[in-house]
Amino acid sequence: QSVLTQPPSASGTPGQRVTISCSGSSSNIGSNTVIWFQQLPGTAPKVFIYSNNERPSGVPDRFSGSKSGTSASLAISGLQSEDEADYHCAAWDDSLNGPVFGGGTKLTVL
Amino acid sequence: QVHLVQSGAEVKRPGASVKISCKASGYTFTNYYMHWVRQAPGQGLEWMGTINLNVIKTHYAQEFQGRLTVTSDTSADTLYMDLSSLRSDDTAVYYCARGGGLAVVDYWGQGTLVTVSS
Repeated sequence: QSVLTQPPSASGTPGQRVTISCSGSSSNIGSNTVIWFQQLPGTAPKVFIYSNNERPSGVPDRFSGSKSGTSASLAISGLQSEDEADYHCAAWDDSLNGPVFGGGTKLTVL
Repeated sequence: QVHLVQSGAEVKRPGASVKISCKASGYTFTNYYMHWVRQAPGQGLEWMGTINLNVIKTHYAQEFQGRLTVTSDTSADTLYMDLSSLRSDDTAVYYCARGGGLAVVDYWGQGTLVTVSS
């Protein structure tokens, strides 16, 4: 059972806009910034969003993040087939004194 | 650039221990902290423990207290994870990951598959 809650799956057609939610609590998302990772099959996670809404260099600006209270969202606009992957949210947890993760959302591009 | 290279896959019997290494390069090893995170087949990511390499202080998730030991060799920029009393549900891919750069978890190793089977 993951500390952060994500939907197990999401889908969209090429060109569509898709959002993935991530719900936490006051000890994690409510008091710390959120990270989003993309994980392609058989590979390690890669940071796609940090500090709630910042993109590392090389990540397309089609990806954006937002946070409100104890929830966060990842939005992908202009969906492309290469976006098909697992997406994980994460945040530091002040009670556990460590990072916590969502269960991951499998994004399918139809 | 930042690289974290982990040791190879392991197959262990229940009750045994496993030790995995993680060699860092491309940055000053002791300026950051390092995590161990695992991912069971088809499951999400699970934090196991963290070491602050500046002061060599560790903190473990409660679930792994007493079974997990995280150490480092700062002269070799290498991190280690030792997990004992292995069970079948410890079968997972184990990742080392850096913290304190872009985010509390930023760069990841390639992962090490540990299979626990009799």
